[in-house]
Amino acid sequence: SYELTQPPSLSVSPGQPASITCSGDKLGEKYTSWYQQKPGQSPVLVISQDNKRASGIPERFSGSNSGNTATLTITGAQAMDEADYYCQAWGSNTVVFGGGTTLTVL
Amino acid sequence: QITLKESGPTLVKPTQTLTLTCSFSGFSLTTSGVGVGWIRQPPGKALECLALIYWNDHEHYSPALRNRLAITKDTSKNQVVLTMTNVAPVDTGTYYCAHNLRTTLETSHFDYWGQGSLVTVSS
Repeated sequence: SYELTQPPSLSVSPGQPASITCSGDKLGEKYTSWYQQKPGQSPVLVISQDNKRASGIPERFSGSNSGNTATLTITGAQAMDEADYYCQAWGSNTVVFGGGTTLTVL
Repeated sequence: QITLKESGPTLVKPTQTLTLTCSFSGFSLTTSGVGVGWIRQPPGKALECLALIYWNDHEHYSPALRNRLAITKDTSKNQVVLTMTNVAPVDTGTYYCAHNLRTTLETSHFDYWGQGSLVTVSS
């Protein structure tokens, strides 16, 4: 079955860029979405179709996808961006999620 | 506005069948491109899409669990029901239903989520 791989964790300083990667076989030929989940809350759509920001998502969030890797970039990470981030694509005839990346901003 | 809410048992015994209902408002499951999915999250672990049903009655299941799952929709009641047979403690987790939007299958994504329902499987 299709798999998406993310680094378990990423730590950045406030105001610095944060890039979260998601790898999968020929992922660049698919569309990738990204979700943010804070503790005790439901996931929130951040990016759909590689690079479309969802409603209400700040401009500092952007997405790209090429080759085998999709990337979620936060330009100037803020403390409020601390969360788990999940990538998602279509594979094996269903929705597939990555294992998630915990972003720490400190 | 679009809202979804999960309902069902909080505690289920091993080997039993789990039935969860997603009640939604603000959209219709007869609209082209619209679907509803069930996603679960074991405590401290990642999201996993269990099943997805679209306006055109097409169903999609997790390959690992498809033999235990069934998803149905009732457009008159604005509900989607997920049944999972032969549950085990590893099925413990928060179960979310979510609104899915697509133009093609490849563009499928979840743009609205329910609050989630915690299900514990234990004797």
